[in-house]
Amino acid sequence: KAGVTQTPRYLIKTRGQQVTLSCSPISGHRSVSWYQQTPGQGLQFLFEYFSETQRNKGNFPGRFSGRQFSNSRSEMNVSTLELGDSALYLCASSFSGMDEKLFFGSGTQLSVL
Amino acid sequence: AQTVTQSQPEMSVQEAETVTLSCTYDTSESDYYLFWYKQPPSRQMILVIRQEAYKQQNATENRFSVNFQKAAKSFSLKISDSQLGDAAMYFCAYGTQGAQKLVFGQGTRLTINP
Repeated sequence: KAGVTQTPRYLIKTRGQQVTLSCSPISGHRSVSWYQQTPGQGLQFLFEYFSETQRNKGNFPGRFSGRQFSNSRSEMNVSTLELGDSALYLCASSFSGMDEKLFFGSGTQLSVL
Repeated sequence: AQTVTQSQPEMSVQEAETVTLSCTYDTSESDYYLFWYKQPPSRQMILVIRQEAYKQQNATENRFSVNFQKAAKSFSLKISDSQLGDAAMYFCAYGTQGAQKLVFGQGTRLTINP
């Protein structure tokens, strides 16, 4: 069974641009969560989607958004990039949520110049 | 708000020895989950062990075991017979079923000395 796939692995953008990151969950998983990892703030929850609906949202500005498609693949978008958005963005999937094991991808490393 | 604290930024241990990583958390919930995740240089977070708060028995997974003290809000990870492949960042995390999200500690970098 293929694991959680995140694309691209690395991304370099400049301030003010927008970016879209993609996550393909494990086959059969319907819950997809996104986390931001930085050296200063650590791992922080962004949002979680289940069956195309956002179930939970972390404390991030509206520039951060996401969506989930009918095949459970998810995308997150960051608009008007700031230097502080440089981070590793991790995606995790599970069958239904917290009572199941979360499986993480290898992340997308975003650098904002 | 729930918080997770890992007081050891770095730990090191000799190969084949035992090491314990500490974690404390703060919550007013009675039903929750606790996790230890490992993050090697590949960056992928790998679940090491999972504990349901309602279970009094400590979880074990091969060489990995936890000491879960609910009243003290403590959740330590013991790695026995340490191997070179255990070297990684280890994160303690808290989650509740209703919230569908994890709260992570700051991590402990574990080094295994040959």
